[in-house]
Amino acid sequence: NAGVTQTPKFQVLKTGQSMTLQCAQDMNHNSMYWYRQDPGMGLRLIYYSASEGTTDKGEVPNGYNVSRLNKREFSLRLESAAPSQTSVYFCASSFKTGANTEAFFGQGTRLTVV
Amino acid sequence: QQQVKQSPQSLIVQKGGISIINCAYENTAFDYFPWYQQFPGKGPALLIAIRPDVSEKKEGRFTISFNKSAKQFSLHIMDSQPGDSATYFCAASKSTLTFGKGTMLLVSP
Repeated sequence: NAGVTQTPKFQVLKTGQSMTLQCAQDMNHNSMYWYRQDPGMGLRLIYYSASEGTTDKGEVPNGYNVSRLNKREFSLRLESAAPSQTSVYFCASSFKTGANTEAFFGQGTRLTVV
Repeated sequence: QQQVKQSPQSLIVQKGGISIINCAYENTAFDYFPWYQQFPGKGPALLIAIRPDVSEKKEGRFTISFNKSAKQFSLHIMDSQPGDSATYFCAASKSTLTFGKGTMLLVSP
């Protein structure tokens, strides 16, 4: 009954370091998403994968890359972390994109870049 | 350009009162309007959603009112309880969700 699992839960990086945030879902969903949440800014879409084998940019893709490893897993990579990337990152999944489809969110990864 | 505008930023309501959160959208191509609830340290979770072909949807104490001509929709929480204290996000979707900035609701005992 895990749903959407994100690792790690917390991370501190130095400016310029790289890291990959991992996300896995066990609901056999086709679509997966990465959002960032900043105070007073709501959730903003970074990248999404409508189906296995496809990825598309969202609202704020600069500085990030993604990989849809298989149907279950969708990772987010920061190649050279910047303080502006300090945020809480949420992975989500849904059966499909579009209307009438509930998105299920993970617990989040709190990332601090110093 | 902010496609989904949400107000107020924060709201304090007494127990038993009505909480009202408003959202307005720009893009007439949006065809799905959900509300998500988020507790501290948790991810958002779907609360209730509406399609633009209906003007109101009610689930328990939660009601969405939708005004297509005004491009506005709102969440009403009747008989608000301390356990409703959370951050609420409206959203709109054509293919992916676009979220409002959120409303922090505090229901005082």
